[in-house]
Amino acid sequence: GAVVSQHPSRVICKSGTSVKIECRSLDFQATTMFWYRQFPKQSLMLMATSNEGSKATYEQGVEKDKFLINHASLTLSTLTVTSAHPEDSSFYICSVFSSGTYYNEQFFGPGTRLTVL
Amino acid sequence: AQSVTQLDSQVPVFEEAPVELRCNYSSSVSVYLFWYVQYPNQGLQLLLKYLSGSTLVKGINGFEAEFNKSQTSFHLRKPSVHISDTAEYFCAVSDLNNNDMRFGAGTRLTVKP
Repeated sequence: GAVVSQHPSRVICKSGTSVKIECRSLDFQATTMFWYRQFPKQSLMLMATSNEGSKATYEQGVEKDKFLINHASLTLSTLTVTSAHPEDSSFYICSVFSSGTYYNEQFFGPGTRLTVL
Repeated sequence: AQSVTQLDSQVPVFEEAPVELRCNYSSSVSVYLFWYVQYPNQGLQLLLKYLSGSTLVKGINGFEAEFNKSQTSFHLRKPSVHISDTAEYFCAVSDLNNNDMRFGAGTRLTVKP
């Protein structure tokens, strides 16, 4: 399967600042990358789906101007939380997928813990 | 769209006892089914998946699950649990394009000595 990394693993920032989270597929060309958010003791909620070279598709209720997603290449996607507020504090997890391959599954990154003060 | 219901939010069990974590899904189309485990402050690790074929799926760490189409269930089982199995377990369903994965609310498995 694919090896997926996220950077940083933890970030603490002040309210009003922007934070960028990177998701890298180390050995797998991902045509599609997904971003999830997980609040404490809750399940993963899909935020957006991005395909390489095109605009991300956001789930209902997710502000696209607040959560900027860039899928620049087949191995890199970034999520930027703009003007972060304490309610944005959460665990953000990315996953990668490639259609037409043997692997009919998403591969998940280790997650990024964002704390907004 | 598909959805997943995990019937138990918490399952306490003693070490070496058997365990079953229940999962039911709803979908109007054919689906893939997955079980993931999550340890504190970590991402998801795939335990097993059902794509097609045999309805009994064996995964890592001694876990297995059975796909039951008539009952729309995909329950996870292990005949004898260890302390190290203490974690959060998520059942997930996706369409056949893997573009729309939905997770259950999770089941917290606590294995006691």
